[in-house]
Amino acid sequence: DAGVIQSPRHEVTEMGQEVTLRCKPISGHNSLFWYRQTMMRGLELLIYFNNNVPIDDSGMPEDRFSAKMPNASFSTLKIQPSEPRDSAVYFCASKTLGYTEAFFGQGTRLTVV
Amino acid sequence: GESVGLHLPTLSVQEGDNSIINCAYSNSASDYFIWYKQESGKGPQFIIDIRSNMDKRQGQRVTVLLNKTVKHLSLQIAATQPGDSAVYFCAENRAGGGNKLTFGTGTQLKVEL
Repeated sequence: DAGVIQSPRHEVTEMGQEVTLRCKPISGHNSLFWYRQTMMRGLELLIYFNNNVPIDDSGMPEDRFSAKMPNASFSTLKIQPSEPRDSAVYFCASKTLGYTEAFFGQGTRLTVV
Repeated sequence: GESVGLHLPTLSVQEGDNSIINCAYSNSASDYFIWYKQESGKGPQFIIDIRSNMDKRQGQRVTVLLNKTVKHLSLQIAATQPGDSAVYFCAENRAGGGNKLTFGTGTQLKVEL
């Protein structure tokens, strides 16, 4: 397996634009996590899904953020409209329920100017 | 105004020495405690976990100790190598909380030759 695949690796966008980050989890994993990493706040859990169902989205900072998991092999994190303070590295991770080892993607570095 | 970045604790050790990285946790309901390693430009990578009803677990060159009385977790790395230089995160997995996986602040380990 190629591991967790995130796209794009880098995204530079202007304030006010819509940004969509994509994640393909490892095949067979049934739990998916979205994290945001910044110098200010470290590694924050934004939302996670079990069996494609959102379980806890209490980490999503504002209504501008939304996440979906339409099927077991794909998830998106959308920011609309984007703001400079959204600049961060966004990680997606997947694992199997009942196991502790989560596998992270390479991350998407988002810069909002 | 100027933003203040998260000040990561830093541990500097000589190559070949043993390293001890500490972590304090707050949630007694966690089922597992986990250590992750994050190298520059990469996503976090699983190192070792320990179940909440254990106090010690050993892996290859690593040992994790759990002290539930004072809510303290440590990671010991034997014979530290340059490749061990990274940021180390402790994490908590709550199966009862829907499989939530949350991360601590992190510690920067620098191995000096």
